[in-house]
Amino acid sequence: SQKIEQNSEALNIQEGKTATLTCNYTNYSPAYLQWYRQDPGRGPVFLLLIRENEKEKRKERLKVTFDTTLKQSLFHITASQPADSATYLCALGASGGSYIPTFGRGTSLIVHP
Amino acid sequence: KAGVTQTPRYLIKTRGQQVTLSCSPISGHRSVSWYQQTPGQGLQFLFEYFSETQRNKGNFPGRFSGRQFSNSRSEMNVSTLELGDSALYLCASRPGPGGGELFFGEGSRLTVL
Repeated sequence: SQKIEQNSEALNIQEGKTATLTCNYTNYSPAYLQWYRQDPGRGPVFLLLIRENEKEKRKERLKVTFDTTLKQSLFHITASQPADSATYLCALGASGGSYIPTFGRGTSLIVHP
Repeated sequence: KAGVTQTPRYLIKTRGQQVTLSCSPISGHRSVSWYQQTPGQGLQFLFEYFSETQRNKGNFPGRFSGRQFSNSRSEMNVSTLELGDSALYLCASRPGPGGGELFFGEGSRLTVL
């Protein structure tokens, strides 16, 4: 069955360091992959989208890589700040289908000052 | 541009009752999706509506239903509530059904007692 895996354990890092979050998937042929940020009690907010034919995407301090051979996406936040503390969700949209994204359960990031 | 608006934000119901949640998408967006979010299951897709037609449906029982109006506003209904229906219900809109980022509302927090 299709599965999207994100580390369920919180990632704790010091301010100023680079945070790297992982999204692995199996039994999937994604047309695109998205990353969202979610704060407690709020709806997710879109951050980045990367398509299957793209290797890397950047936006300000954010960088996403997409390796369809490894079936993995890495999400990096450079020069992390306490305000980056949140849960980060990856979502995959399958090709040839309805393009409804399927979400992973998210990884909590905690940036310590 | 106003964001996605969901009402009510919080509600408490008892088992066996039914509930209706409302979602107003971003102006110009014609696709509305609904998700259920729980700590154990993460974000689970319920259904998507586009131009008043249900285009896709997730793996939920028939107690979960929805509809979309001509102004793109959407409602979802849950009948015969069960304790396990306690969750954050999120609505998301996008211009059309062909992929791309989702714009989420703040959610409706349903507690079933």
